[in-house]
Parts: sequence; structure tokens; C-alpha cells
Amino acid sequence: AQRVTQPEKLLSVFKGAPVELKCNYSYSGSPELFWYVQYSRQRLQLLLRHISRESIKGFTADLNKGETSFHLKKPFAQEEDSAMYYCAVLGPGTYKYIFGTGTRLKVLA
Amino acid sequence: EPEVTQTPSHQVTQMGQEVILRCVPISNHLYFYWYRQILGQKVEFLVSFYNNEISEKSEIFDDQFSVERPDGSNFTLKIRSTKLEDSAMYFCASSKDSNQPQHFGDGTRLSIL
Repeated sequence: AQRVTQPEKLLSVFKGAPVELKCNYSYSGSPELFWYVQYSRQRLQLLLRHISRESIKGFTADLNKGETSFHLKKPFAQEEDSAMYYCAVLGPGTYKYIFGTGTRLKVLA
Repeated sequence: EPEVTQTPSHQVTQMGQEVILRCVPISNHLYFYWYRQILGQKVEFLVSFYNNEISEKSEIFDDQFSVERPDGSNFTLKIRSTKLEDSAMYFCASSKDSNQPQHFGDGTRLSIL
């Protein structure tokens, strides 16, 4: 079955601490992986896609095909990183994103 | 930066009534999508639309739902006879191509009474 799992509903870290938001997926074939972020009362915004291998706002994510994971990491969390983070999969030959349930990141002062 | 816009931001409708949710995708995008998010649940795909026809739909998108691009700019989602369980946040999205990232609107909160 096609599935995206984000095991943590809520993750609280202190400012300056490292953060890792977990994402595991189950998908046959070679899907594309994305991270979207939703700040309070705002729209879903693209944060990262695995094929571009960029670092946005200090966040990185590496696709591990062996572990079927795409964890989002940042070495030093900032208060403005507090938001809802969604991992999403786009399968080959399909148009639909499959989203995880999201992780709310709270960065404490 | 161009954005996907959705109207209204909040729609309250009596059960059994028809509702139309409106979206203006980014102007040079060719692929359009609707998703919904029931409170406390994940964002779920409803339908994708390309070249004036549905390219993919989920099992949620039954006969009560329809989509239309009535002119060169709008993309609408119609629910014919709303049910209580249709209460959700509905997101419109668009992309330049099917393998390009999807850009989302702010969403319309639909409340069925």
C-alpha cells in the first residue's frame, strides 16, 4: 500500500538545538519526495524536493532508498521554524501527492 | 511571486445544498488539483485536471463532486448535495507540469450544518 508515515505529531526543541523530523514511505517504484511547511494560518509551501538536493532555510533532507526514509534535518533550530511540516510522495505516472499526517514543530526560546 | 488564490476563505452551507469552491491557479500553470483536509486528519487528494479533463481522481471524488474550468482563469470544485462529512479544508493547487512541484492556495474552510 502507498503510505507516508510521520511518526511524531509534535516535536518540541529548544532554540539552537538540532532538529530531525522523520518521514518514512511505502511506495513501489521510484517516487519523488517533498517536504512542505505550513506556518500559522498560511498556505502549504514547498520547502524541499529530493531531486534538487538544495538546502532551504538551513533545512536538508536526504532520500534513503534502503530505509525508505526522507528525514528533514536542521542543525540549529530557530523560533521562526515553528510550523507544521508535511512529507509528501509523488509516484511515477501519477498526479497525486500522498501526504503524511504532519509533524508540528515547536521551537522554544 | 504569483500565488494560487481561493475564494471564499470560509463557506457555511446547509446539508443537502450545493456548494461551489473557486480557485484561480497560477497563470502559466497547466495542471490543477483539489485536495481536502478533514480536521485533525491528513491532506487527501481529490482530483487532478489537465487539458480540460480529469486526469486522475480518488475514491473520495464520487458522483457528488465535479470540477470545471469555466473560463481561462478559474478552476471550480462543485459538491452537489453536501453532507456533514464534507466539512473540511479544501485546498486548490496548480503546477507547470505533472512532475513539477504543486503550489497551494490558502484553502477554503467548508462547514456543513
